[in-house]
Amino acid sequence: QSALTQPRSVSGSPGQSVTISCTGTSSDVGHNNYVSWYQQHPGKAPKLMVYDVSKRPSGVPDRFSGSKSGNTASLTISGLQAEDGADYYCYSPATIYTAYVFGTGTEVTVL
Amino acid sequence: QVQLQESGPGLVKPSETLSLTCTVSGGSISSHYWSWIRQPPGKGLEWIGWIYYTGTTAYNPSFQSRVTISVDTSNNRFSLMVTSVTAADTAVYYCARYGPDGYKHLDYWGQGTLVTVSS
Repeated sequence: QSALTQPRSVSGSPGQSVTISCTGTSSDVGHNNYVSWYQQHPGKAPKLMVYDVSKRPSGVPDRFSGSKSGNTASLTISGLQAEDGADYYCYSPATIYTAYVFGTGTEVTVL
Repeated sequence: QVQLQESGPGLVKPSETLSLTCTVSGGSISSHYWSWIRQPPGKGLEWIGWIYYTGTTAYNPSFQSRVTISVDTSNNRFSLMVTSVTAADTAVYYCARYGPDGYKHLDYWGQGTLVTVSS
């Protein structure tokens, strides 16, 4: 099971928007609507930011939004804030739902 | 508020077995799926496997049968064993809980514990 492909890094100024892509295959991202996204600050555990492609858990700001088209899912951060600087990982079940795969991770830098 | 706490040796010798336990508080282990994930230093996240309270499991094929996840419902905890470890198994190991709708997303995580494989 290969890792999902994400850009190594993206950056933006405060107030701008950035989008992180997560590319898989028809066996994982393209096969389900359960892609989730996690934010990880250095030395901390990951935190769930988006699940089921576009749903936000309680307490996650609405500037975080998710979408999917074909084999690629995306996380958009609108109105970028300093505290959004972190690593972000996508995550998807594979075809048979007994195997899971994370993305390669993207570092978001707030300029 | 659900809390998860990993525990176990921080240092394991090559070829030996890595054993970790995740203790769940603030909720019952008998109502969700549970998972282990690891992160080598400076690298990305890797899914290891999941377990349901009934004992049903699923594992990452890349571990080639070296991994066993078990559950202890009496003590509200679940465990991870990785046999024949090498330096490549050095990582921060996290335990996590799947959300209420099955094994789709991970909504609660432990703080993680660093395990170093070295003689």
